[in-house]
Amino acid sequence: QSALTQPPSASGSPGQSVTISCTGTSSDVGGYNYVSWYQQHPGKAPKLMIYEVTKRPSGVPDRFSGSKSGNTASLTVSGLQAEDEADYYCSSYAGGNYVFGTGTKVTVL
Amino acid sequence: QVQLVQSGAEVKKPGASVKVSCKASGYSFTGYYIQWVRQAPGQGLEWMGRIDPHSDGAKYAQKFQGRVTMTRDTSISTAYMELSRLTSDDTAVYYCARDRQVSMDVWGKGTTVTVSS
Repeated sequence: QSALTQPPSASGSPGQSVTISCTGTSSDVGGYNYVSWYQQHPGKAPKLMIYEVTKRPSGVPDRFSGSKSGNTASLTVSGLQAEDEADYYCSSYAGGNYVFGTGTKVTVL
Repeated sequence: QVQLVQSGAEVKKPGASVKVSCKASGYSFTGYYIQWVRQAPGQGLEWMGRIDPHSDGAKYAQKFQGRVTMTRDTSISTAYMELSRLTSDDTAVYYCARDRQVSMDVWGKGTTVTVSS
């Protein structure tokens, strides 16, 4: 199972939006509506931000949204804030297995 | 509150085994799978496998088949991940996480495993 493909980096100024893509195959992203997104600050454990492609856990700001088209899922962070600077990983169910994305470092300029 | 508390850091020699524990509290331990994920220094997240605490059934990533064993002790709400035949490539932070609705909603703080001669 190969890792899902994410851009290494993304950036935006405070208040702007940034979108991160996550490309897989029909065996993972395209085959199931079980894409999750995780935020990880340096030295910390990952935090769930989006599950089942579009759903936000309680406590996650509505500035975070998810979508999917075919084999590619996306995470959009609107109204960027300084605390959004972190690494972001997508993950997909893959028929009994899970696969993570390569990770994207988001920088708030 | 719901939390997962992991065991402390380990230093192992090449060829040895390591066993990491993950104690659950604040919810029904047998009601949710436990996932294991690792992260090598400066690298991304890597799924290792999961265990169903209710049935004791486990599924492992192909990469770790034959080298990893996931178990649980329901009497103390604790899951375990044992990795054998360690090499320097196994140096990483190992996380356990609760699986809810096919996502990992609660994570332990991680256990650092260093493999060095």
